[in-house]
Amino acid sequence: DAGITQSPRYKITETGRQVTLMCHQTWSHSYMFWYRQDLGHGLRLIYYSAAADITDKGEVPDGYVVSRSKTENFPLTLESATRSQTSVYFCASRGQPQETQYFGPGTRLLVL
Amino acid sequence: AQSVTQLGSHVSVSEGALVLLRCNYSSSVPPYLFWYVQYPNQGLQLLLKYTTGATLVKGINGFEAEFKKSETSFHLTKPSAHMSDAAEYFCAVSAPGGSYIPTFGRGTSLIVHP
Repeated sequence: DAGITQSPRYKITETGRQVTLMCHQTWSHSYMFWYRQDLGHGLRLIYYSAAADITDKGEVPDGYVVSRSKTENFPLTLESATRSQTSVYFCASRGQPQETQYFGPGTRLLVL
Repeated sequence: AQSVTQLGSHVSVSEGALVLLRCNYSSSVPPYLFWYVQYPNQGLQLLLKYTTGATLVKGINGFEAEFKKSETSFHLTKPSAHMSDAAEYFCAVSAPGGSYIPTFGRGTSLIVHP
C-alpha cells in the first residue's frame, strides 16, 4: 500500500535496552523526519535526512541514532532506553520544501 | 532562525461559533506556512498551506488562513465549528534560514461544546 508506515505501533521496553523504531515510505520522498510528541512540548524534531546516507540532528538528538541506507527507510534506534524517552514517535516524509509533510500513524513507546 | 508561537494551548467554542486559532511566526525571509490537524491517536494531516501567491488560503473541512506579512501571522479560522472539528491543531513554518526544515508550534487543542 502507498503511504508512510511505522512499526511497531506500540512498544514496551525496559531501561537500558536497545529499541529500533521503523519507518517506511513509498513515495520516494527525499526528506524524512523523526519527531517525538510529549504533552506540553508539541512536536520536537529528533533527526532528519535530506537523502539516502545524509542525516542531521534536530532539536533533541541525544540518546538516538538514525541511518538511511535506502531512500524509503529511516529507522530510529534508542541505543540504551531511558524513562525520559517514553513518548509518541512520529515519522514524516516530504519532497520539495514547499510540499506537504506526510506523517505516519505514530509509535507509542513506554520505557519502564 | 525561525520560530512559531501558537497563542493558547486550549481554545473552547460552542458548536456553530467562529473558530479562531492564532499563529505567529518569526523569519527573516518570507516563509512557507502550514496548518496541520491531529485527531486522537492519529498522525498529523495537512489542513492548508501558504507558499506563494494569494495570501488567503482555503483548506479542507471549511478552514482557511490568511498570511499577513506585516503582522507575521497566519491565523486559522472557520466560520462555524462542528463537533468533528475537536482536535489538536499545529502551525508550522519552513524558511531558508532553517534550511526549510519545518518548525512546529506547541499546538492548540480545540474543544467544541454542543
